[in-house]
Amino acid sequence: ILNVEQSPQSLHVQEGDSTNFTCSFPSSNFYALHWYRWETAKSPEALFVMTLNGDEKKKGRISATLNTKEGYSYLYIKGSQPEDSATYLCAFKAAGNKLTFGGGTRVLVKP
Amino acid sequence: DTGVSQNPRHKITKRGQNVTFRCDPISEHNRLYWYRQTLGQGPEFLTYFQNEAQLEKSRLLSDRFSAERPKGSFSTLEIQRTEQGDSAMYLCASSSDRTNEKLFFGSGTQLSVL
Repeated sequence: ILNVEQSPQSLHVQEGDSTNFTCSFPSSNFYALHWYRWETAKSPEALFVMTLNGDEKKKGRISATLNTKEGYSYLYIKGSQPEDSATYLCAFKAAGNKLTFGGGTRVLVKP
Repeated sequence: DTGVSQNPRHKITKRGQNVTFRCDPISEHNRLYWYRQTLGQGPEFLTYFQNEAQLEKSRLLSDRFSAERPKGSFSTLEIQRTEQGDSAMYLCASSSDRTNEKLFFGSGTQLSVL
């Protein structure tokens, strides 16, 4: 059983502040690391697919970094807005095609 | 491209009954996944298809669960003799090599077993 851990489980952010949270995963047999955003009453939506150590991806105010050697990825939200409130899921893919999800980080941006 | 479609959106059933859910993936996607999600947890892998072949099934899944993907198009997930512990959101997702294997999710089927 693969362990994919996300921390913190939840966090409150003041509008305009920046924040970041972590996904840790096995450092062996790495194939890809995915990030998804899941807003209430909607389907999870892909943010990034990262495959190379040192990868950095950016989409608007959201960015992610990847360290496959030590088994972690950070997701950053710059200048948080209320519409950023969601659960952010990371998912680890070893060789083979099964994605194993972490428990998610629930972000609430307060106006 | 109408996205991934799941039916029904909600299902309430009595313990011991059988239920079946349907997933229609994005038409050109060859991979289809089923996940289960309970409150406060991340999605838990159930099973995965590449075209019509079921390539992997979670060891956590009991024999009461079965999934099919005839002709590599839509998929069904059946739960026999439902138990209260089966209550969860059942998510379907599809992907292809062209999308860098990122998953496109349906809206899910919320199952409540009374």
